[in-house]
Amino acid sequence: DTEVTQTPKHLVMGMTNKKSLKCEQHMGHRAMYWYKQKAKKPPELMFVYSYEKLSINESVPSRFSPECPNSSLLNLHLHALQPEDSALYLCASSQPRQGRNSPLHFGNGTRLTVT
Amino acid sequence: AQKVTQAQTEISVVEKEDVTLDCVYETRDTTYYLFWYKQPPSGELVFLIRRNSFDEQNEISGRYSWNFQKSTSSFNFTITASQVVDSAVYFCALSVRLGGGTSYGKLTFGQGTILTVHP
Repeated sequence: DTEVTQTPKHLVMGMTNKKSLKCEQHMGHRAMYWYKQKAKKPPELMFVYSYEKLSINESVPSRFSPECPNSSLLNLHLHALQPEDSALYLCASSQPRQGRNSPLHFGNGTRLTVT
Repeated sequence: AQKVTQAQTEISVVEKEDVTLDCVYETRDTTYYLFWYKQPPSGELVFLIRRNSFDEQNEISGRYSWNFQKSTSSFNFTITASQVVDSAVYFCALSVRLGGGTSYGKLTFGQGTILTVHP
């Protein structure tokens, strides 16, 4: 079983909907990540939170809004998405104290379809 | 800029065959970390191994082994006696220090190799 839990597993939304993806980890990690993965492509970094503060935004459109309410939770709020935003959204966590060699632990992902 | 190249897009083998997945990387950093992740059809990315740039010792874990050679900038992954459960997409990834003094790195992934093991 993965130690990073993502909900929902699948999400279908219209372009005018507002929805949220949720991620939770209980490993005590203080860095959390959102990655986006299109079919047959590698994951691409979207956002990084370190100690609950947003530290990296990879020029992601504002229709994606991340939130880190506490050290265990990470949300991704979605609004006015486009069909091309359909993808697998992966959450990950790591321990920044270990430096850049800390492996990322990924969740199972949320498969998002925008209609 | 960092780059990871996995030249093999797809590999198909029969169970019990050995298979090697190639990974070549580029970076100007002298300190970096390399990873392999497995992504089965269920979608999650499973961490397999990390190796830092100062440790060129090869590693073996059960049927898995990794060959790191700085001289050729390669970090290859071999599965011995492959099994159907090994069927997955395998990603090689590189991590270097980000700017601004951050203590963790962003992963640069290769394009992935789809491994299919037939019974």
